[in-house]
Amino acid sequence: NAGVTQTPKFRILKIGQSMTLQCTQDMNHNYMYWYRQDPGMGLKLIYYSVGAGITDKGEVPNGYNVSRSTTEDFPLRLELAAPSQTSVYFCASSRGFNSGSLAKNIQYFGAGTRLSVL
Amino acid sequence: GENVEQHPSTLSVQEGDSAVIKCTYSDSASNYFPWYKQELGKRPQLIIDIRSNVGEKKDQRIAVTLNKTAKHFSLHITETQPEDSAVYFCAAKFNQAGTALIFGKGTTLSVSS
Repeated sequence: NAGVTQTPKFRILKIGQSMTLQCTQDMNHNYMYWYRQDPGMGLKLIYYSVGAGITDKGEVPNGYNVSRSTTEDFPLRLELAAPSQTSVYFCASSRGFNSGSLAKNIQYFGAGTRLSVL
Repeated sequence: GENVEQHPSTLSVQEGDSAVIKCTYSDSASNYFPWYKQELGKRPQLIIDIRSNVGEKKDQRIAVTLNKTAKHFSLHITETQPEDSAVYFCAAKFNQAGTALIFGKGTTLSVSS
């Protein structure tokens, strides 16, 4: 199993450009998440999905869009990139959530995408 | 709004000492509290979690305690080792937020030998 795979690892965008951050998992997990991590600020949830065809907003969804057409893939789209979107982006997946089993609750994170908007 | 406060932001201990990190949350209906460890340049990893129907949970050198009345929970690491050096994040599930977690800002733990 590759786990959670994110591409690209690094990207520099100009203000106003658009891009899609790719995320795929091969663990057949229903739950998938996108976070951004800014220095000293912890992880902020952007969007999440509880299954194919179902997505919902997290804490900081503005400027982003997602889709979940398959169980495996959960791409994050940035439209009209702004300097405030400079961050490290993590995708994660889990089998369950708030289960009595720790194993089901584990969110497996991808290696991250470091994005700079200049 | 929903909030998780985490203290301290940095913590330095000697190898073998104990380390305690504390978090408070704002929503009394929160019912799930995980802790994540992130080593430098790596991805976060879940190390322990606790649900609101349990007051304490232990896994080897790591324990988490929950005080629902006071709305705070703590991570305890005993017999610290240099490999425990990392950033630790607490998180809480808020009732209004589906399966979303709100994270604290993190504690940088440094264990010196």
